[in-house]
Amino acid sequence: AQTVTQSQPEMSVQEAETVTLSCTYDTSESDYYLFWYKQPPSRQMILVIRQEAYKQQNATENRFSVNFQKAAKSFSLKISDSQLGDAAMYFCAFDTSGTYKYIFGTGTRLKVLA
Amino acid sequence: GAGVSQSPSNKVTEKGKDVELRCDPISGHTALYWYRQSLGQGLEFLIYFQGNSAPDKSGLPSDRFSAERTGGSVSTLTIQRTQQEDSAVYLCASSFFPRGDQPQHFGDGTRLSIL
Repeated sequence: AQTVTQSQPEMSVQEAETVTLSCTYDTSESDYYLFWYKQPPSRQMILVIRQEAYKQQNATENRFSVNFQKAAKSFSLKISDSQLGDAAMYFCAFDTSGTYKYIFGTGTRLKVLA
Repeated sequence: GAGVSQSPSNKVTEKGKDVELRCDPISGHTALYWYRQSLGQGLEFLIYFQGNSAPDKSGLPSDRFSAERTGGSVSTLTIQRTQQEDSAVYLCASSFFPRGDQPQHFGDGTRLSIL
């Protein structure tokens, strides 16, 4: 079975500091995609960053970057220079090539302290 | 529209009533997905559409749940004889194609509360 695990229900970070959210997954597939989504109180899921498993280079999007360790099946999200607007639920999701449904973790609630 | 639109935003109904939830995907997106997010949980896949067809309905929790899509656009998720355990946020997403390299774009969801 394919699973996604987020072991940190809640994290806090001081404004302007850096925080890392962890995510591990389990699959026997070799070709897949990984995503981090942000869900603010407005409920809309916003794509933060994505990583193709066949790419060794870690994806980056401005202040957001990932540490993708394929052998360890780990996909952590690093947020640099944290801002108050980063406060939200963050979900890690997984999708194998050729399938159509994302498998989500249970989320990490990030609090940003002023 | 510019994004995925869902209506209503909130729905409160009595146990045993039927409800319809609507999703209007991004124009040009052929794939449409329904997820359910229960309190404190991640998202649970329900069903997806490619065009007007639903190749896999295995995520629907019971036969009280059904969905349809018309004109390759708007989709309706119907829950009959609602139960309290149906209370959740129902999220809709769309993508150009049902492939892993096509990110899914989500709507704001419908919060369903069953009294």
